[in-house]
Amino acid sequence: QKEVEQNSGPLSVPEGAIASLNCTYSDRGSQSFFWYRQYSGKSPELIMFIYSNGDKEDGRFTAQLNKASQYVSLLIRDSQPSDSATYLCAVRGNNDMRFGAGTRLTVKP
Amino acid sequence: GAGVSQSPSNKVTEKGKDVELRCDPISGHTALYWYRQSLGQGLEFLIYFQGNSAPDKSGLPSDRFSAERTGGSVSTLTIQRTQQEDSAVYLCASSRDGLSTDTQYFGPGTRLTVL
Repeated sequence: QKEVEQNSGPLSVPEGAIASLNCTYSDRGSQSFFWYRQYSGKSPELIMFIYSNGDKEDGRFTAQLNKASQYVSLLIRDSQPSDSATYLCAVRGNNDMRFGAGTRLTVKP
Repeated sequence: GAGVSQSPSNKVTEKGKDVELRCDPISGHTALYWYRQSLGQGLEFLIYFQGNSAPDKSGLPSDRFSAERTGGSVSTLTIQRTQQEDSAVYLCASSRDGLSTDTQYFGPGTRLTVL
């Protein structure tokens, strides 16, 4: 079992819709959780992080964390074509950061 | 500097040669990470430096890989006797103090191609 699992996609949504990205992790001792966006040929850039159960909102983005279910998600409201990218879920333990393989999102105009 | 920088941006080498990849973290950041990303894959953790502590080398795939960090700043990742499966983008990231909620900032990466 992979430590951090994501659906590889591609996930395709129409412009203006809500995109829902999901991630599960295996290490119950994980402390913090990050969502990164990576455009093709570019480096990952942080969207947001969350470390408490519940929801955390930042503009059009909402991260949701459920530690009991070992599940973290990212919702993108009012999706735009510029949101088309690969979204990486990352889980932080004591020293290292473990990344999922990413979900490729396409927002169609 | 304004961000994490890495050099070279691209490196093509022949199988069996050694390569050195360099990372300059953001000034003042004490934590530095190396990752590897193969085509279409997620990031694979390689090694983590925090201040003057012994590095966490748990992610290094073989003893051909080594890294050092001089003076708590610049880091060099060395791959000896390169193999074709070493071809990937090598990403460096730094963070302020390595705490669990600390944000990592990534450099542009070095694309390594082993022929």
